Amino acid sequence: NAGVTQTPKFQVLKTGQSMTLQCAQDMNHNSMYWYRQDPGMGLRLIYYSASEGTTDKGEVPNGYNVSRLNKREFSLRLESAAPSQTSVYFCASSEVLAGPYEQYFGPGTRLTVT
Amino acid sequence: EDQVTQSPEALRLQEGESSSLNCSYTVSGLRGLFWYRQDPGKGPEFLFTLYSAGEEKEKERLKATLTKKESFLHITAPKPEDSATYLCAVQARETSGSRLTFGEGTQLTVNP
Repeated sequence: NAGVTQTPKFQVLKTGQSMTLQCAQDMNHNSMYWYRQDPGMGLRLIYYSASEGTTDKGEVPNGYNVSRLNKREFSLRLESAAPSQTSVYFCASSEVLAGPYEQYFGPGTRLTVT
Repeated sequence: EDQVTQSPEALRLQEGESSSLNCSYTVSGLRGLFWYRQDPGKGPEFLFTLYSAGEEKEKERLKATLTKKESFLHITAPKPEDSATYLCAVQARETSGSRLTFGEGTQLTVNP
């Protein structure tokens, strides 16, 4: 059981470049989430997916898009990266949307935009 | 708006020196309060869920308690391997999207 996996672990982009962060979970969870973590700001929700086929905005969605590819996979896309998107990105999953069910986190992707 | 404030921001302890971390919260009807541990360069690791005031949960040297306004994470006789950042998060009863509101964490260092 790998839990939640994320790729890549590290990425450096130039302003205006695009990229997709990949996330997969093998716990048969229905709900998946994308967070960003910044010093002094804590973890903030970008987008979430309650179940396969649905996605919704979180607290800080601007500049991002997501795709729930299937029950296991949830990707986050930066169409035109900006320095303000330099952060550590975490994917998480939980059994169902309505809780309280704990969320399980992946190891993170460290993104630097220059 | 839901709010979570953790204190202190950083805490240094000697091995064996017990202490408590605080998580104060404001939420419109609590569905659950969560404690996570985060090691440097890693994702948060789930520790506990508390659902209602008066509830307590224990795991090894850690005990989490909950009141109507705050939660405490008590660390008894800590060891260096307990060094990490401890995060508190709340989920409101009326929250759409199972949103968790996180505090900024308490960075704990336990010296041998």
